[in-house]
Amino acid sequence: GENVEQHPSTLSVQEGDSAVIKCTYSDSASNYFPWYKQELGKRPQLIIDIRSNVGEKKDQRIAVTLNKTAKHFSLHITETQPEDSAVYFCAASIKAWWASNNDMRFGAGTRLTVKP
Amino acid sequence: ETGVTQSPTHLIKTRGQQVTLRCSSQSGHNTVSWYQQALGQGPQFIFQYYREEENGRGNFPPRFSGLQFPNYSSELNVNALELDDSALYLCASSLDGYEQYFGPGTRLTVT
Repeated sequence: GENVEQHPSTLSVQEGDSAVIKCTYSDSASNYFPWYKQELGKRPQLIIDIRSNVGEKKDQRIAVTLNKTAKHFSLHITETQPEDSAVYFCAASIKAWWASNNDMRFGAGTRLTVKP
Repeated sequence: ETGVTQSPTHLIKTRGQQVTLRCSSQSGHNTVSWYQQALGQGPQFIFQYYREEENGRGNFPPRFSGLQFPNYSSELNVNALELDDSALYLCASSLDGYEQYFGPGTRLTVT
C-alpha cells in the first residue's frame, strides 16, 4: 500500500520568512495530493490540493509543487504569519472510479511555529 | 463551518464494549471516509463509503465496521473495544473522494 513520509517533523521560522514542508510517496499510481492544516484541538482543514496532471498550484501565500518522477511534493508558505502556526499534514491517494481501494494516506505531520 | 458534524463529541467506554459514532456529511457530498487519529499522529484511514457501499478499507480489523445511509450520513461501529482504540475519530465528506472536509471528531476513551 501507499506510504507517505513527511519532513521536517518540526519547523520554526521568523514571521515574514518562507516555510517549506516536503513529502514523499511510494505508490506511483497516486494521483491526488491534498494538504491539511490542523490547529490545536481543531479538525484538519484542507488548505490546498494538487492532482497529478499539474506540477504546481498556488493560492495566495500557499503553493504546492509535485514531482511525479521523484514521487515527492512540497508545500510552500511565503510571508509567514503567527496564525500560520499549526500542524500541517500531507496526504496521497489514488482517485479513480475503477479503484477498488480508495484510501488516503497521511504523513506524520509537521509542527510549524511562526515567531513574531 | 464546513457543514460536517459528528456525534457524540466525547465518549468513555470500557474495554470489551461496543460503540457507534455518527457523521452527518456536508450537503451535496456522496462520499464519507473515517479516520482514527492518535495523539500527535496523522489520521489513519479506516474505510470509505461511496453511495452506501464500502469502496476502500485501511489496515483495521473487521471489528471496525460502518454504514452509509441514503442521505449519505454514516456510522462507524467498533466492537470489542480495546485500550488502543482510544483516539480521535474523524469523518470526512467529499464529492467523489476529492476535497475531503472533516468533521470536528469524536474523542473516544477506552478504560
